[in-house]
Order: sequence, then C-alpha cells, then structure tokens
Amino acid sequence: EIVLAQSPGTLSLSPGERATLSCRASQSVSNSFLAWYQQKPGQPPRLLIYGASSRATGIPDRFSGSGSGTDFTLTISRLEPEDFAVYYCQQYGSSPQTFGQGTKVEIK
Amino acid sequence: EVQLVESGGGLVQPGGSLRLSCAASGFTFGSYWMSWVRQAPGKGLEWVAKIKQDGSEEYYVDSVKGRFTISRDNAKNSLYLQMNSLRAEDTAVYYCGRGSGYYVYWGQGTLVTVSS
Repeated sequence: EIVLAQSPGTLSLSPGERATLSCRASQSVSNSFLAWYQQKPGQPPRLLIYGASSRATGIPDRFSGSGSGTDFTLTISRLEPEDFAVYYCQQYGSSPQTFGQGTKVEIK
Repeated sequence: EVQLVESGGGLVQPGGSLRLSCAASGFTFGSYWMSWVRQAPGKGLEWVAKIKQDGSEEYYVDSVKGRFTISRDNAKNSLYLQMNSLRAEDTAVYYCGRGSGYYVYWGQGTLVTVSS
C-alpha cells in the first residue's frame, strides 16, 4: 500500500499569505492520480484538485496543484479567511487508495 | 442536485452488527461506482470499500475484509454497508462517496460508535 506523508502537520499563516503544502508518497503514484481535499469541522471533505493539477468545478484559481511521481504540492496563493481548514491528499492510482494524515492550516 | 444521505449509525457493543444506508438522488445511481470512506474522531480519512455499478465487483480495505459487506440496490438508488464483528477501532463517521477514485460528492456522514 502507498503511504502518503503530508508536511507540515500544522501551518500557521496570516490571511493574504501564501500556503505551500507537501504530500510525499512512499512509491510513485500511478498516472499522477493524486487528489487534494479541504475539510472544515463537522463537514465532509471538499474536492479541490484531482489528477495532481486539475481544479475541481467551482474551486477558486488561488488553489493550484503540482507534482508527479512521489512528490506533490498544493499551493494556496493568497489565503482567504475561509481557507483555514485541514487539507488531505489522496492517491487513487493504486489499490488500496490511501489518504495522507492531513495538514492543518491555522490563522497565525 | 446530487445528494447522498447516510443513515443507520449509532452505538453498538463490540462484536455487534450494524447496517448503514446511503440514499442517492440527483444522478443516475446505477451508472457509478460507489464507495464508503470513514474518519475516526479527530483522525484522517480511510477508504473502506467500493462496489461496481452492477454490484459484480467489490473491494475492501484489509482491516474490514471478512467483516464488512458493501452492497447496492439500483432500483432503490441505495448503497449499503453491513458491518459485523465490530471493534472499537471501527468507531468513525462513515461517508458514502460517488465514484471509486477521487470523490466530488460526499454525504454528510453517519457516526458509528463501538463501545461497551
């Protein structure tokens, strides 16, 4: 099974700052089948990015994904107040699909 | 509008059973793989099981194999998860999701608590 390690565990930033979240896989992710989700307390996850770099419908362009192989990045160019949440990466290229442990983006 | 509504969660003793349901609407249910994903309290996400459109293929995470069974009724637009021999570590919010890869649509989840 592919293990996804997200870093950092917590990111403390101010609104307007740039956030860079990392997701490193224990093996190469097939076809860059990697997704990113945002989750707020009491809510289900919200899909942000799929295929490593494709934004889901309705997702603002301040969210971008990049990477391939074993190293992937989610970048939020300028943090808005509603962006403070937990972010998960997920690989769905190999069975079983797996999720990272999450990165919490908190207000500094 | 796509909607997924889970039900059936609750408190159950270790070794007990529970059946979760997910009612789907707003799309052609029988055209999609469907999945269950769970989240233990304060923890991350874990994929649990998925089922093909016609129910002919099922896949499970190792930790639930032989204990959980995923099924569907396309005539009722419903997805199910039969959970037997429940353990404390099965305590989680269980979400149903449309698809088998990434998930655009999720339900709000149903909480399963396994405790004596």
